[in-house]
Amino acid sequence: EAGVTQSPTHLIKTRGQQATLRCSPISGHTSVYWYQQALGLGLQFLLWYDEGEERNRGNFPPRFSGRQFPNYSSELNVNALELEDSALYLCASSLGQGSEEQYFGPGTRLTVT
Amino acid sequence: GESVGLHLPTLSVQEGDNSIINCAYSNSASDYFIWYKQESGKGPQFIIDIRSNMDKRQGQRVTVLLNKTVKHLSLQIAATQPGDSAVYFCAENISASGGSYIPTFGRGTSLIVHP
Repeated sequence: EAGVTQSPTHLIKTRGQQATLRCSPISGHTSVYWYQQALGLGLQFLLWYDEGEERNRGNFPPRFSGRQFPNYSSELNVNALELEDSALYLCASSLGQGSEEQYFGPGTRLTVT
Repeated sequence: GESVGLHLPTLSVQEGDNSIINCAYSNSASDYFIWYKQESGKGPQFIIDIRSNMDKRQGQRVTVLLNKTVKHLSLQIAATQPGDSAVYFCAENISASGGSYIPTFGRGTSLIVHP
């Protein structure tokens, strides 16, 4: 069974641009979570989608947004990129509400120059 | 397990030793805890979990201890192997709306196992 996949693996953008990151959950999983992992820091929760709806949001500005598609895959969009947005962005999926165990993808390394 | 600054706390052990990684959590309302292992270039991988109604749980070569009084969690790895070298995160979970959990992660501890 395929795990969580993310694309692209690496993404280089310049300040002010927009970035789009993609995530495909494990088949059968309806929840997708996005996290930011900056260098030397722990994972910071960004967004949680379940059944196509945004269920919860972390303490990030509105320029971090996303959506979940009918096939449960998800996009994370970061507008007006800032240098501090450079980080590893991790996506995780779970079976949905009431399921705690999350399975993580390998991440997208975003570099903002 | 928690620290300040950009450098992760590091635990260096010899192959075959037992390792203990500690984590302090912040919210007394947290009721579910998970330890993750993150190898270089990979996403975090679930190791073991424990609920707040337990104080100890054992897995294969790993044991998690929970002390709710002092809000402390530890991960014990028996007979540590070079393949155990990774960054280990604890996550505290608070029940969110709808019955799911949003985890709050610690900054991690880097475990280095010397052959």
